[in-house]
Amino acid sequence: SYVLTQPPSVSVDPGKTARISCGGNNIGRESVHWYQQKPGQAPVRVIYSTSDRPSGIPERFSGSKSGNTATLTISRVEAGDEADYYCQVWDAVLELRFFGGGTKLTVL
Amino acid sequence: QVQLVESGGGVVQPGTSLRLSCAASGFTFALSPMLWVRQAPGQGLEWVSFISSDGRTDSYPDSVRGRFTIARDNSKNSLYLQMNSLSVEDTAVYYCARDGEGGSFDYWGQGTLVTFSS
Repeated sequence: SYVLTQPPSVSVDPGKTARISCGGNNIGRESVHWYQQKPGQAPVRVIYSTSDRPSGIPERFSGSKSGNTATLTISRVEAGDEADYYCQVWDAVLELRFFGGGTKLTVL
Repeated sequence: QVQLVESGGGVVQPGTSLRLSCAASGFTFALSPMLWVRQAPGQGLEWVSFISSDGRTDSYPDSVRGRFTIARDNSKNSLYLQMNSLSVEDTAVYYCARDGEGGSFDYWGQGTLVTFSS
């Protein structure tokens, strides 16, 4: 079982860099995925396998991991990036999925 | 393009049952494992079920195991979630999603809402 911990909120000025963390026991050995969810909309995958970006997602979005903490980095933040962001991991042995609690990104 | 369209949500009474459906198109459904994810009002995302491409393997978190059953009909490109013994804690928007690389969810439907009458 994984417990993924995200900060409830992150605020950033337009044009600056936002970093959203996701910490969890033993996620160092797992791929971490990230989703963006705007109000009233379904989530959209923005990073998969820790650092890969799906087609159509701007290069401003990147992912990394160090030890048991994964980070979603959004460069040159725009007003349209304001959303909730969720991290997620997969326990392939037990076929279980886990989400972090989510982080609300506010663009000031 | 990939499309996932959920249906079957509505207002229910505690203790009753409901079946959700998800119609898939734009990809080879029979080759794709599928999942359901839910989101309670104002809350985060919670994975609720997985089914393999051939339907032989499924899995659930403790919160719904024994009450929810995922199923699929590959001949109809359809995914289902049978929900029994519903409680107010099951109030949520339910999304179907396709299994992607590394256990991610690469495509999502728009969701269907399950609520309870007071």
